[in-house]
Amino acid sequence: RKEVEQDPGPFNVPEGATVAFNCTYSNSASQSFFWYRQDCRKEPKLLMSVYSSGNEDGRFTAQLNRASQYISLLIRDSKLSDSATYLCVVNGRPGGSYIPTFGRGTSLIVHP
Amino acid sequence: DTAVSQTPKYLVTQMGNDKSIKCEQNLGHDTMYWYKQDSKKFLKIMFSYNNKELIINETVPNRFSPKSPDKAHLNLHINSLELGDSAVYFCASSPQGHRDTDTQYFGPGTRLTVL
Repeated sequence: RKEVEQDPGPFNVPEGATVAFNCTYSNSASQSFFWYRQDCRKEPKLLMSVYSSGNEDGRFTAQLNRASQYISLLIRDSKLSDSATYLCVVNGRPGGSYIPTFGRGTSLIVHP
Repeated sequence: DTAVSQTPKYLVTQMGNDKSIKCEQNLGHDTMYWYKQDSKKFLKIMFSYNNKELIINETVPNRFSPKSPDKAHLNLHINSLELGDSAVYFCASSPQGHRDTDTQYFGPGTRLTVL
């Protein structure tokens, strides 16, 4: 089982739709979780951290389920500009150092 | 006012050559990283330095050698380049790499093509 797994998609949705991505992780000792966004041929950029209590930033909501070892990202009222790849990142601590592990990303295409 | 910069942006070279990629951050961060993103888009950590000290060294060939002259710079030297080294290499930095809540700031990437 891969350490961090995501459905690569693409998720093809119309503007205004609500779309949700999940990400599962295998290391139960994982400490922290993030969603990054990567546009085509660009570098990844932090979208939001994921807290145990869940957190919301405008149209974006992130949630963590430690028992089932997955995190989710919900995007409401999708915009054309939301088209990108969304990377799930899990920080574990094998051997003492925090090692960030990236999923392969979920591609989102928002069309008019 | 670029936060994390890398040079060169593109690098095309022949198999067997030796090349270097440079990275600089002006954020005052303690930790810097090198990642490789292959054609399947997996972003995999290669190395991490905290205050010029190597703290993460994932399984990469010995042909790859990072060097950190100071905490604002982390360069990557690659010897005897192979076709499989073709990828996008991203440098990143974070305030304190040993904190699990740290955000990473990525450079624009260096697209390496080995012919």
